[in-house]
Amino acid sequence: GESVGLHLPTLSVQEGDNSIINCAYSNSASDYFIWYKQESGKGPQFIIDIRSNMDKRQGQRVTVLLNKTVKHLSLQIAATQPGDSAVYFCAEKSGFQKLVFGTGTRLLVSP
Amino acid sequence: EADIYQTPRYLVIGTGKKITLECSQTMGHDKMYWYQQDPGMELHLIHYSYGVNSTEKGDLSSESTVSRIRTEHFPLTLESARPSHTSQYLCASSGVAGEETQYFGPGTRLLVL
Repeated sequence: GESVGLHLPTLSVQEGDNSIINCAYSNSASDYFIWYKQESGKGPQFIIDIRSNMDKRQGQRVTVLLNKTVKHLSLQIAATQPGDSAVYFCAEKSGFQKLVFGTGTRLLVSP
Repeated sequence: EADIYQTPRYLVIGTGKKITLECSQTMGHDKMYWYQQDPGMELHLIHYSYGVNSTEKGDLSSESTVSRIRTEHFPLTLESARPSHTSQYLCASSGVAGEETQYFGPGTRLLVL
């Protein structure tokens, strides 16, 4: 069945470094992808999304890259800050199907 | 900031009690969802609704039930709480067709003793 997974369960970076969080998906029919950030004790917060007709989308300090050939999605955070420490989830969707969430990657930012 | 609210935020209750977790959104979204999430783990969809009087079971089997009598309100009920129900419950909503982004509430942390 469909699955969305993350390569690294925990990513530790220094403040100011760039962070890259990766996500693999298996459903080649997926046409919409979202990255969420979840801080401790809170619900997931929307960060950025991308449709399958795009390869790259940029937001404020964040960039999402989509490689449909290898079914890979990544979230890049520039100049990572302590406030970026959280668990990051990718999610994918195909047509009118429901969102499928990955297992999450914990980002730890050291000062 | 999404206008979706959940109450209570924290609940400690004894086994066998009936509980209702409240979820409301003021965005006029048709679609609403309930997820169950253990600490640091993935989200599991347990119920969803595409509109008033529409409810469906999600991917993860759950002993809870939901109702959707009003667009803005999507409560989740456990008739008889058990320790295995201890978890975090997240409510989400999304807008019209083509707007797939789900907006989440702050969650309810449930502890059943």
